[in-house]
Amino acid sequence: SQQGEEDPQALSIQEGENATMNCSYKTSINNLQWYRQNSGRGLVHLILIRSNEREKHSGRLRVTLDTSKKSSSLLITASRAADTASYFCATDAYSGAGSYQLTFGKGTKLSVIP
Amino acid sequence: EAGVVQSPRYKIIEKKQPVAFWCNPISGHNTLYWYLQNLGQGPELLIRYENEEAVDDSQLPKDRFSAERLKGVDSTLKIQPAELGDSAVYLCASSPRSGGYNEQFFGPGTRLTVL
Repeated sequence: SQQGEEDPQALSIQEGENATMNCSYKTSINNLQWYRQNSGRGLVHLILIRSNEREKHSGRLRVTLDTSKKSSSLLITASRAADTASYFCATDAYSGAGSYQLTFGKGTKLSVIP
Repeated sequence: EAGVVQSPRYKIIEKKQPVAFWCNPISGHNTLYWYLQNLGQGPELLIRYENEEAVDDSQLPKDRFSAERLKGVDSTLKIQPAELGDSAVYLCASSPRSGGYNEQFFGPGTRLTVL
């Protein structure tokens, strides 16, 4: 079952614009991770944010986490054509019976037009 | 540093045949994962190993899927017999940290087609 759900499913922007993707989840989490997948480089880890953190930056990436709303956002600033990819959020979330599992959403497909 | 290695990259088989996938994680990474990814979907965890112990295999369909990680290094995932619905990309990932789900490094995957 999908724990995290990304929104929007697809996003198309011009090069240089900012791109924002959102992720909502259902149960308590240890951490939330964002991954990028394109045909050239496969699935690549971008950022991990822990449940006690609210914001993290890495280069042109900014991730926020709001545990009260069970949501996260990924902002890519000054987008480039090379950012064209699918972006997935993955939640390390409580799955019941005292265990946690990592669950990926269906992803947001980002297209950056040169 | 070499990344996660998977083989084969592509496999086409007839239904009811067996198939095996091999994964060699990044050197020193004790945690290894197998995922299944269908087209247009995110990866779904099948099994997680810490060293040679399978610590989470709740999502592995044990009637036809099996996995092993002898000596706590490389791993093999097997399907026997394969069904049409098993067509997907099988991803292997490894992590330098254990005790939960942390940053993972993914291999290129094996694309399985069952005819």
